[in-house]
Amino acid sequence: GAGVSQSPRYKVTKRGQDVALRCDPISGHVSLYWYRQALGQGPEFLTYFNYEAQQDKSGLPNDRFSAERPEGSISTLTIQRTEQRDSAMYRCASSRPNEKLFFGSGTQLSVL
Amino acid sequence: DQQVKQNSPSLSVQEGRISILNCDYTNSMFDYFLWYKKYPAEGPTFLISISSIKDKNEDGRFTVFLNKSAKHLSLHIVPSQPGDSAVYFCAASVNTGNQFYFGTGTSLTVIP
Repeated sequence: GAGVSQSPRYKVTKRGQDVALRCDPISGHVSLYWYRQALGQGPEFLTYFNYEAQQDKSGLPNDRFSAERPEGSISTLTIQRTEQRDSAMYRCASSRPNEKLFFGSGTQLSVL
Repeated sequence: DQQVKQNSPSLSVQEGRISILNCDYTNSMFDYFLWYKKYPAEGPTFLISISSIKDKNEDGRFTVFLNKSAKHLSLHIVPSQPGDSAVYFCAASVNTGNQFYFGTGTSLTVIP
């Protein structure tokens, strides 16, 4: 596709379940970012990749959060043993190196 | 630690007038700045950028001004149109890194 694609668009899960959020970046974009956005806030950095290498994961809140991009294209953000405080919009973005980010529409996660 | 700050959560402007959105940052290493616009239920979309070697960048009705000594940038929209009503985020990065820091956003309403 022409833009960054994220799935699912909405995810409702019970506390304690694991969730996997998928991001399909723009073709050819080397860099891929994960952000989390709470209501009324700006995007909060979680982690980013150049190709398949995770360059910075300093924004991941704790060890329940992990991300991978095994072939340098599609990425998965996994949250284990979800908690209610994990509820947020999770946004993926991609870019060419050091250029502007293109964002996907996000996955709205609700943990009950 | 909010390195990029947008102190005005909302702004209302009459159609045809100038809209001025402000952004302050604390990290003097930031050298690349962007503005994103976000409509409800959509991801942020890129609007305009400026690098630290410039103090002004213009694109149609949109102009971004950078004052490095004050660590301040602003987005001017003139003339404002009702379709400009959206949330505007400023973002900053250190060019050699790739982590973008976002402000909390300013909701602009242009009144017809």
